[in-house]
Amino acid sequence: DQQVKQNSPSLSVQEGRISILNCDYTNSMFDYFLWYKKYPAEGPTFLISISSIKDKNEDGRFTVFLNKSAKHLSLHIVPSQPGDSAVYFCAARGSGGSNYKLTFGKGTLLTVNP
Amino acid sequence: DAGVIQSPRHEVTEMGQEVTLRCKPISGHNSLFWYRQTMMRGLELLIYFNNNVPIDDSGMPEDRFSAKMPNASFSTLKIQPSEPRDSAVYFCASSLGDFGEQYFGPGTRLTVT
Repeated sequence: DQQVKQNSPSLSVQEGRISILNCDYTNSMFDYFLWYKKYPAEGPTFLISISSIKDKNEDGRFTVFLNKSAKHLSLHIVPSQPGDSAVYFCAARGSGGSNYKLTFGKGTLLTVNP
Repeated sequence: DAGVIQSPRHEVTEMGQEVTLRCKPISGHNSLFWYRQTMMRGLELLIYFNNNVPIDDSGMPEDRFSAKMPNASFSTLKIQPSEPRDSAVYFCASSLGDFGEQYFGPGTRLTVT
């Protein structure tokens, strides 16, 4: 049972346009959400996160939106740059005894075309 | 800052052989995680250590898998005997505490033929 879902395996956008990556979750115990970025032959690197007490968090060109009622979050990148081309993973963490555990989606491959 | 170091980067072995993957976490980090990435299941947590003690090994798929952390600067993940379905990329990550940002190593790509 996949608790974190990224339904789009890939996304292609033009340089300078907005990239929107989506993520849905099913576990209502999740209260902290993260996005990781992964280049080929490297490990994932942390990009941005959001707590369930917020609905938006912004860091430069990256903004994450959280809609708790819909159990949906999205990552907006604007403007998109060719260097943003990578696989993006959505991850979620719950409260309580297993709060160390990140549950990951399968990732979305973003390609930004020059 | 050297980051999380994993070795080897690539491993090709035959079914039935023992495989040992190695990880050196970031100095000062007291939490260590082993993940496996496959096409079917994505990134999944195998085992979590805190202060060198295994806290959660519920993700370890079978008894063929074992992990140790003899000290704060070294961990191993061993598969014995290996099977073709173990082929995957194995990542090690470390963090400062449970809630700290997890820093991932570059991964070990394992191929079992």
